[in-house]
Amino acid sequence: DSGVTQTPKHLITATGQRVTLRCSPRSGDLSVYWYQQSLDQGLQFLIHYYNGEERAKGNILERFSAQQFPDLHSELNLSSLELGDSALYFCASSVGGGTAQETQYFGPGTRLLVL
Amino acid sequence: QKEVEQDPGPLSVPEGAIVSLNCTYSNSAFQYFMWYRQYSRKGPELLMYTYSSGNKEDGRFTAQVDKSSKYISLFIRDSQPSDSATYLCAMMLGTGTASKLTFGTGTRLQVTL
Repeated sequence: DSGVTQTPKHLITATGQRVTLRCSPRSGDLSVYWYQQSLDQGLQFLIHYYNGEERAKGNILERFSAQQFPDLHSELNLSSLELGDSALYFCASSVGGGTAQETQYFGPGTRLLVL
Repeated sequence: QKEVEQDPGPLSVPEGAIVSLNCTYSNSAFQYFMWYRQYSRKGPELLMYTYSSGNKEDGRFTAQVDKSSKYISLFIRDSQPSDSATYLCAMMLGTGTASKLTFGTGTRLQVTL
């Protein structure tokens, strides 16, 4: 158990809908990262927040947004969902601002299925 | 062309075999290299972390980096059924705010009795 929690574990929804994925980092970690894992693209970095502020952006669609709250939990909002958004969404956390020396600890993921 | 290429496998080996997992990359700016292990329906967990060319050993695992060839490897000695998982290589640019991990697509390993 990495100490990172994600809810819900599974989510089934329809095209065009909006969902919110939630992540609680390990106690004491200030950074939260979001990744998308699909069969064809593998694990792809979406976005990184550090202590409430956006630090880095990856291949995140405009339909997706994220935020980190004062208690350091984070939410990833996915809107206007398409079939291709079906994937595993992972949250990871690290203790500092995201330097290479920090280990990123991954949560168990949220499996999203868009029908 | 993807920045990081990894043979997807699956790779099936008998218990006790030596396993070699490999990744190549195209961006010479990558300075830090990791190997993650992902069990089915779980999140990835960090196995090995290296930042220089050469070998790093941790128990049955050895990570090898060749920056001149842009090639990294993970060797597993005396493989066990519990090693059956997907192994993902990951890379990161230099220090500072370079927080983005770039992953390979993963190699699925099956160790049979």
